[in-house]
Formats: sequence, structure tokens, C-alpha cells
Amino acid sequence: AQKITQTQPGMFVQEKEAVTLDCTYDTSDPSYGLFWYKQPSSGEMIFLIYQGSYDQQNATEGRYSLNFQKARKSANLVISASQLGDSAMYFCAMRQTGGGNKLTFGTGTQLKVEL
Amino acid sequence: DAGVIQSPRHEVTEMGQEVTLRCKPISGHNSLFWYRQTMMRGLELLIYFNNNVPIDDSGMPEDRFSAKMPNASFSTLKIQPSEPRDSAVYFCASRDNRAGVYSNQPQHFGDGTRLSIL
Repeated sequence: AQKITQTQPGMFVQEKEAVTLDCTYDTSDPSYGLFWYKQPSSGEMIFLIYQGSYDQQNATEGRYSLNFQKARKSANLVISASQLGDSAMYFCAMRQTGGGNKLTFGTGTQLKVEL
Repeated sequence: DAGVIQSPRHEVTEMGQEVTLRCKPISGHNSLFWYRQTMMRGLELLIYFNNNVPIDDSGMPEDRFSAKMPNASFSTLKIQPSEPRDSAVYFCASRDNRAGVYSNQPQHFGDGTRLSIL
């Protein structure tokens, strides 16, 4: 069974600092995709960044980047130059293959950016 | 561009009543997903459709839940009869699969419906 693990229920970071949110996954499938979503207190789910299992480069999207370590089965999200608006819940998700395009979500990490 | 539109945003009703949640996916997206989010269980996939056809409903909790997608621009999730344990935020999401299931296209979520069953 495919599984996503986010071991940090809560994280604090000071404004303008970088922060890394951990995500590990377990799959026996060689082809998979990893997604990160942000859920602010207002409740909506916002797509941030994607990493494919065959991608040679780590994904980047503005201040977001993925530290993808395939051998370790980890896909950590790095947010650079944190802003107060980055305070939110962050979810890592994996696309299941062989079962269509379903996503399995981790339990999330609550990030709080402080002055 | 309009995103995924869900209605209502909030619903409060008494147990035993029928509840209908509605979703309009992004135009051109051919996959649609219904999720439920609770503190205890996190985000759970209930059912998803490809080209209006239900593909996997293994996450639907029980027979009280049903979902339909009569056309490419509309889907409903119905709970009948509702129970207090159904209280949750229900999300609808859509995805463009035209580049293939394994493309980098993400699922786009609506703002959710916060459902409270008294």
C-alpha cells in the first residue's frame, strides 16, 4: 500500500528565514508523482509544487523548492524567505499509479511564521 | 479563469435530513474527485470520476452516501439520511487528464463545503 508520512505536526520559523517541511513516502511503484498543497486558515487547498519520480532535477516554483531524495523516498518542501502569509497547514500527497490518478495525502504540518 | 465552484459553502442541518453538496469543475477538466476532511481522519478520497463515469467509490463510507456526475460540468454528493458523524469539510477537486494520468497536472480544489449535522 502507498503511504505518505509527515512527521512534523507543527513548525515555527522566523520571518525571512528558510524552513524545510518533511515528507517521506512508501511505494513499490517506479512511476509516481509527489505534490505539495497549502491550506491556510480560510480552508482552501492551494497547489504549490510537483515532483515526478523520473524528474532529474529538483522542482522549484518561486520561493518553493523540493529536496527530492529518491533513494531515501523523501520529498521535503523548502520555503525560502518565509513570509507571514506562509502560515498555514502544508500537505504532501502522492499520486497513486495503477489506480488512476488518486492522491494519498499525509497528515499535514502546521507552519507558523513569526516576526 | 473560474476555479472549482462548490455550493453551499456552509450547511447546518439536523440529523436524518438529506444533504446535497454541489460541484462545478473547471471547464475542460475530465476528472472529478470528492474528498472529506476531518481532524480525526485527515483528507480522505470518497469517490472519483473520469469523463463523468465513477471509477473508484471505495472511499464512500456507506450506503447513505451517493455521488453522481450527470454531465461534464456538474456533480453532486448526497447524504441521506445524515448523521452527526458526517460533519466535516467536503472538498471537490478537478483535474485535466488530457496530458495523461501520469502528467504533472495537479488536482485543483474548490473552497469546500463545511457541513454540520446537529
